Amino acid sequence: QLQLQGSGPGLVKPSETLSLTCTVSGGSISRSSYYWGWIRQPPGKGLEWIGSIYYSGSTYYNASLKSRVTISVDTSKNQFSLKLSSVTAADTAVYFCARERAHGDAFDVWGQGTMVTVSS
Amino acid sequence: SYELTQSPSVSVSPGQTASITCSGDKLGEKYASWYQQKPGQSPVLVIYQDTKRPSGIPERFSGSNSGNIATLTISGTQAMDEADYYCQAWDSSTVIFGGGTKLTVL
Repeated sequence: QLQLQGSGPGLVKPSETLSLTCTVSGGSISRSSYYWGWIRQPPGKGLEWIGSIYYSGSTYYNASLKSRVTISVDTSKNQFSLKLSSVTAADTAVYFCARERAHGDAFDVWGQGTMVTVSS
Repeated sequence: SYELTQSPSVSVSPGQTASITCSGDKLGEKYASWYQQKPGQSPVLVIYQDTKRPSGIPERFSGSNSGNIATLTISGTQAMDEADYYCQAWDSSTVIFGGGTKLTVL
């Protein structure tokens, strides 16, 4: 059974870079057609898509975050990662990694979520 | 930019049918998906490609999408269905989520 496990620091200082990694187990990240995405949810608010990546490295990002976001993939480790630069308190959220069934389709498998707080 | 609009809350009595709507410009021309999220948990996909149910999702969950409105219908609603529900679509290489609807089972 496919599982996604997010990991990374729970506290990041303002203006620094948030870095998270999602480890995929029970299946290959290189399997054709699937994309791998990051979605976040500020406390008490709704879901916001950040961006997605294909195992080949092809990416697409939320335009509102694009200037600060980098998503990368490491197929040898079956992982994909998120970097969000110049963070502020508005970036405080639970960050989910998830599998996208196909480009532009639904997210069918989700990780458990990683709470990241931006504070000095 | 494209937006999906959901009512903030819907209430339903146990055993009755709950309908949760999601509106967006020409939404019927796109695929809509629906997620259920209970407090402190990750979202769970309950409907994708407008009408399809993933394995393990009860038959009481169904979906439709036409015109400007996608609808998630829960027939014979149970107490365990109380949760937040989010619609999602894709527009111009961007994934869009609705603001969410809190379903209360009274």
